[in-house]
Amino acid sequence: EAGVTQFPSHSVIEKGQTVTLRCDPISGHDNLYWYRRVMGKEIKFLLHFVKESKQDESGMPNNRFLAERTGGTYSTLKVQPAELEDSGVYFCASSLQGLTEAFFGQGTRLTVV
Amino acid sequence: KQEVTQIPAALSVPEGENLVLNCSFTDSAIYNLQWFRQDPGKGLTSLLLIQSSQREQTSGRLNASLDKSSGRSTLYIAASQPGDSATYLCAVRPSHNNAGNMLTFGGGTRLMVKP
Repeated sequence: EAGVTQFPSHSVIEKGQTVTLRCDPISGHDNLYWYRRVMGKEIKFLLHFVKESKQDESGMPNNRFLAERTGGTYSTLKVQPAELEDSGVYFCASSLQGLTEAFFGQGTRLTVV
Repeated sequence: KQEVTQIPAALSVPEGENLVLNCSFTDSAIYNLQWFRQDPGKGLTSLLLIQSSQREQTSGRLNASLDKSSGRSTLYIAASQPGDSATYLCAVRPSHNNAGNMLTFGGGTRLMVKP
């Protein structure tokens, strides 16, 4: 069974550009989460989908970040326009139910220059 | 606001030693606690999940304990091997309905096991 898959694994973009990260959760997992770790800090929650609905987006830093999960399958996280402080590793996780074990992807390392 | 702390931040031990990694959290109202391993440049691998009603979980050479009332968890690694070198992260999930069910992570313990 495939795990959580994230694309791309690395992305280097210039300040002001747009980047879209993608996450494919484990098949059948209704719950999908985005987290990120910026330099030197702990991994922080961004948002949580249940199927295609945003259950909790309290961790989204600002309105430059837009997450979607059309059809309740894969999810995208768009950063537009990107700023230097957005650099970090963005992780996606999925779980079968909201309170069960979370499985993480390998992360997307985003560098904004 | 939940805060999770892991001590030590880094640890270097010779191969074969038994070791303990510590995790503490400020709000004892948790639903479960999860230990992860992260290898450099890789994602998080789930090691053990302890429900709030449990005291410990074991998987191979790993044993994780939970003392919810005191806000502590430990990860015990027996007979450490160089392949155990990685960053170990603990994360807690809140039990309050209005707290969401996101994980709150500690900063991790970077473990180096020397041959």
